[in-house]
Amino acid sequence: DAGVIQSPRHEVTEMGQEVTLRCKPISGHNSLFWYRQTMMRGLELLIYFNNNVPIDDSGMPEDRFSAKMPNASFSTLKIQPSEPRDSAVYFCASSRTGGVNTEAFFGQGTRLTVV
Amino acid sequence: AQRVTQPEKLLSVFKGAPVELKCNYSYSGSPELFWYVQYSRQRLQLLLRHISRESIKGFTADLNKGETSFHLKKPFAQEEDSAMYYCALSGYNTDKLIFGTGTRLQVFP
Repeated sequence: DAGVIQSPRHEVTEMGQEVTLRCKPISGHNSLFWYRQTMMRGLELLIYFNNNVPIDDSGMPEDRFSAKMPNASFSTLKIQPSEPRDSAVYFCASSRTGGVNTEAFFGQGTRLTVV
Repeated sequence: AQRVTQPEKLLSVFKGAPVELKCNYSYSGSPELFWYVQYSRQRLQLLLRHISRESIKGFTADLNKGETSFHLKKPFAQEEDSAMYYCALSGYNTDKLIFGTGTRLQVFP
């Protein structure tokens, strides 16, 4: 397995544009997490899914952010419209959970720059 | 509410010195604690978890429920330990996994 795959690796966009980040979790994992990493706040949990269902989206900063998981092998995080303060590294992670939680595996991240 | 606090943003030590990265948590249920590490240009990866009670790369961490802490320790730091370290919290009855703000460890030769 290639691990968690995120695309694109880097994204530079102009303020006001729509940005879509993509994630393919590890096959067989039932939980998927989206995190945002910044110097000031570290790793913030934005939203997580269990069995493709959004369980907790309390970390989503604003209505400009939305996430979907149409099936077990794909998830998207969309920002519309994007703003400079959204610039950060966005990570997707997946794990097999339930009872005692197992290790979360991370993708390589998408570095987003909004100018 | 779940919360993880890492009070130090940066910890600098010399090679061979002891290291302790602090982590405190807040959780009303039965917690599961983890330490993740991010080496330069590598993915964030699991270093150790409290239920394993094992030493990884010389690092250990003990869950202290009385002090709600899960500090990461290593008796003799190595240059290759330089990285970003994140403490993370989940629970037996929840899949939600949250992280602290991270501590950057710099080990000088």
